[in-house]
Amino acid sequence: EPEVTQTPSHQVTQMGQEVILRCVPISNHLYFYWYRQILGQKVEFLVSFYNNEISEKSEIFDDQFSVERPDGSNFTLKIRSTKLEDSAMYFCASTLRGFDEKLLFGSGTQLSVL
Amino acid sequence: QKEVEQNSGPLSVPEGAIASLNCTYSDRGSQSFFWYRQYSGKSPELIMFIYSNGDKEDGRFTAQLNKASQYVSLLIRDSQPSDSATYLCAVPNTGNQFYFGTGTSLTVIP
Repeated sequence: EPEVTQTPSHQVTQMGQEVILRCVPISNHLYFYWYRQILGQKVEFLVSFYNNEISEKSEIFDDQFSVERPDGSNFTLKIRSTKLEDSAMYFCASTLRGFDEKLLFGSGTQLSVL
Repeated sequence: QKEVEQNSGPLSVPEGAIASLNCTYSDRGSQSFFWYRQYSGKSPELIMFIYSNGDKEDGRFTAQLNKASQYVSLLIRDSQPSDSATYLCAVPNTGNQFYFGTGTSLTVIP
């Protein structure tokens, strides 16, 4: 069964450093997302991406965050200057045709900011 | 007002019993509703989705939707210890965002 792939599975960084989280969505999916989950809290929407541009973003997704689809397969989330409160599990997800379809998640990247 | 609300639990049921999980949502325009299961430290895994009022059954799982009451539930029949997890209700709103509830922690006692 096709799956969303995320790398790395764990990332430790120093406060103020830049990190890039990588995702390979399911190949025929057209809509891509980043979510995050702080330990013990709910899954929170960050950003959705369709047709090579951001469709929607949440209040969390401020100027420190950016997304790219540099080629036909990878989808990346960059955090320019990490803060302690950015420590969370970051999930990439994708849907086939629309925003109200089955959202399929990758296995996540656990980001720890020290 | 929270977009999606769930009882956080924990909910404990004996093995073989029915577990009932509930969720309410605020956006009346929402058209699709999803239940995810999340084991500790893992990503959410889709287990059920429902679009129409009424019941939808898939194996031991039944999703129930009442749009008038803005209420969606998940029943797990013949609960197994492997069903022990956190269950997340997710509702895409008219603004094209999936909103997740805080999840209900379920423990099935052997």
